[in-house]
Amino acid sequence: DTGVSQDPRHKITKRGQNVTFRCDPISEHNRLYWYRQTLGQGPEFLTYFQNEAQLEKSRLLSDRFSAERPKGSFSTLEIQRTEQGDSAMYLCASSLDSRTYEQYFGPGTRLTVT
Amino acid sequence: AQSVAQPEDQVNVAEGNPLTVKCTYSVSGNPYLFWYVQYPNRGLQFLLKYITGDNLVKGSYGFEAEFNKSQTSFHLKKPSALVSDSALYFCAVRPGDSNYQLIWGAGTKLIIKP
Repeated sequence: DTGVSQDPRHKITKRGQNVTFRCDPISEHNRLYWYRQTLGQGPEFLTYFQNEAQLEKSRLLSDRFSAERPKGSFSTLEIQRTEQGDSAMYLCASSLDSRTYEQYFGPGTRLTVT
Repeated sequence: AQSVAQPEDQVNVAEGNPLTVKCTYSVSGNPYLFWYVQYPNRGLQFLLKYITGDNLVKGSYGFEAEFNKSQTSFHLKKPSALVSDSALYFCAVRPGDSNYQLIWGAGTKLIIKP
């Protein structure tokens, strides 16, 4: 399978702990996106990379969230000092380097903060 | 504010009947329009897109969508529904002046009854 992969698929953590998620995009895709999705809602944009450069970050994203794509391939999303409100599905997507191209999504990481 | 509306939370259709899932938008410039489907416990899957040209675009699994500029709509259609089409459908729009941003609708749950 050469699609977008995410790890882990599920994460349960206690409030206040740090968590890190990984995304491996489709190999030839330059662009990588992180979204958050809660039940009954569409994806909410978090951040966007073109190669290794983080070009945009949502204003809704608190300083507890950080993302990296160190070599322009896989990406990590870290949430520090998790809160119950962080419980959601975290989606990663990738696309070719053009505004006309569709994004391909991974299966998501479901985070539950207890 | 830019927005995408999917006015129906749920659409119920009998198997074999035609189906329509509605999407309207309010964004700047000439937008690019996308439909995605989400099956339970799976990531979002790309169905089809409109970039330019013919207002009727065809996509995966027999789905098509009609772009109507004057009504700012991009309704998803299928001539004959299958039970396996039951899923959550999302409309997403990239504003004409954005290089990366996708604005998402809240989703429509499609239920096909045998």
